[in-house]
Amino acid sequence: GAVVSQHPSRVICKSGTSVKIECRSLDFQATTMFWYRQFPKQSLMLMATSNEGSKATYEQGVEKDKFLINHASLTLSTLTVTSAHPEDSSFYICSAESRGGSGETQYFGPGTRLLVL
Amino acid sequence: QKEVEQNSGPLSVPEGAIASLNCTYSDRGSQSFFWYRQYSGKSPELIMSIYSNGDKEDGRFTAQLNKASQYVSLLIRDSQPSDSATYLCAVSSASKIIFGSGTRLSIRP
Repeated sequence: GAVVSQHPSRVICKSGTSVKIECRSLDFQATTMFWYRQFPKQSLMLMATSNEGSKATYEQGVEKDKFLINHASLTLSTLTVTSAHPEDSSFYICSAESRGGSGETQYFGPGTRLLVL
Repeated sequence: QKEVEQNSGPLSVPEGAIASLNCTYSDRGSQSFFWYRQYSGKSPELIMSIYSNGDKEDGRFTAQLNKASQYVSLLIRDSQPSDSATYLCAVSSASKIIFGSGTRLSIRP
């Protein structure tokens, strides 16, 4: 099946610093990747849709200047949390879209747990 | 009305029984439907995808789709303790995939 990796798996940082999370599709090309955030015991919340070679599309309420997304190649998208604050502490999960004969399917990376002190 | 609705549970099922998870969706134009399993602290894992009306079986899992009634379900036969997780229903809509909030399933020994 399709494999998506994320790095780092866990990060602890001080308030005010920036954190970059990488998402890679390992065995397929993904023109579209998605970034989600999940707080404890809550559902997945879509933050933005990342399209290769173009600007990301952000969901309502997500600050594009705070959560910078770059999708420079068909296998790599990055999310940078700028000037992170404790309220940004969450589980960040990316997914990559694989297009097959029956349509699109999303495969998730293992997630990145961010703790901002 | 939420676009994809699931009962949050928890749904408690005895080991060996059939677990039945249900999901309704609002977009009649949806063409692709998915079930994901998410263990606590982990990311979602794709279990099944279904695209046409009827049943689709894969091992102990059966997905059922009824587009006229706008519901999709997942049956888990011979439930095992390792099936205890949150199950997310996902539906394609306007070139996005919309996730339900998940049903927490607990298999009791």
